[in-house]
Amino acid sequence: SQQGEEDPQALSIQEGENATMNCSYKTSINNLQWYRQNSGRGLVHLILIRSNEREKHSGRLRVTLDTSKKSSSLLITASRAADTASYFCALISIQGAQKLVFGQGTRLTINP
Amino acid sequence: DTGVSQDPRHKITKRGQNVTFRCDPISEHNRLYWYRQTLGQGPEFLTYFQNEAQLEKSRLLSDRFSAERPKGSFSTLEIQRTEQGDSAMYLCASSLAQIHPHEQFFGPGTRLTVL
Repeated sequence: SQQGEEDPQALSIQEGENATMNCSYKTSINNLQWYRQNSGRGLVHLILIRSNEREKHSGRLRVTLDTSKKSSSLLITASRAADTASYFCALISIQGAQKLVFGQGTRLTINP
Repeated sequence: DTGVSQDPRHKITKRGQNVTFRCDPISEHNRLYWYRQTLGQGPEFLTYFQNEAQLEKSRLLSDRFSAERPKGSFSTLEIQRTEQGDSAMYLCASSLAQIHPHEQFFGPGTRLTVL
């Protein structure tokens, strides 16, 4: 399966702590992306990391990619209550497909 | 608000009825995608268009499903003879192939409930 698998499925932390979510996959990728989804809403693009990149930062977000292990992680530093959402990794395979293949997501809850 | 709009936001229908959803992408975006998301799962790809051409269809898209993008702008997704298993959130996304082909901007979705 090309699908990303995320770990953990649910994560609950205190406001101010860091949150780390992991994504593993099986195919060869062109790029991997992370999206956020608030309950019952559409998805918001957070960050894209290409297969030749190892780390990217955007504000309080840090994404790493290890293509040898076929895994990625999303770190949210200094979490806020507003970060409560589901986070999905999605990959674009190298086979020229244009579709995003999503994992099942991590449900993140930030407790005030 | 990403600039992608979907209508309606919610649809409740009885089994066996036909439903049609509309998606208006960001105006200059030439690629348009449809995904389906069931509760607790990630979105699953259904189909995508480049301009008016439908270039890929998932095997999830049974013969009861049809999508069109007649003028390369808005798109419609029709489900005929709806079944309870069709209940899901239907998400539309768009992207600009020439600049950021892989960064997709999602609409708010249409939540379909089939009774």
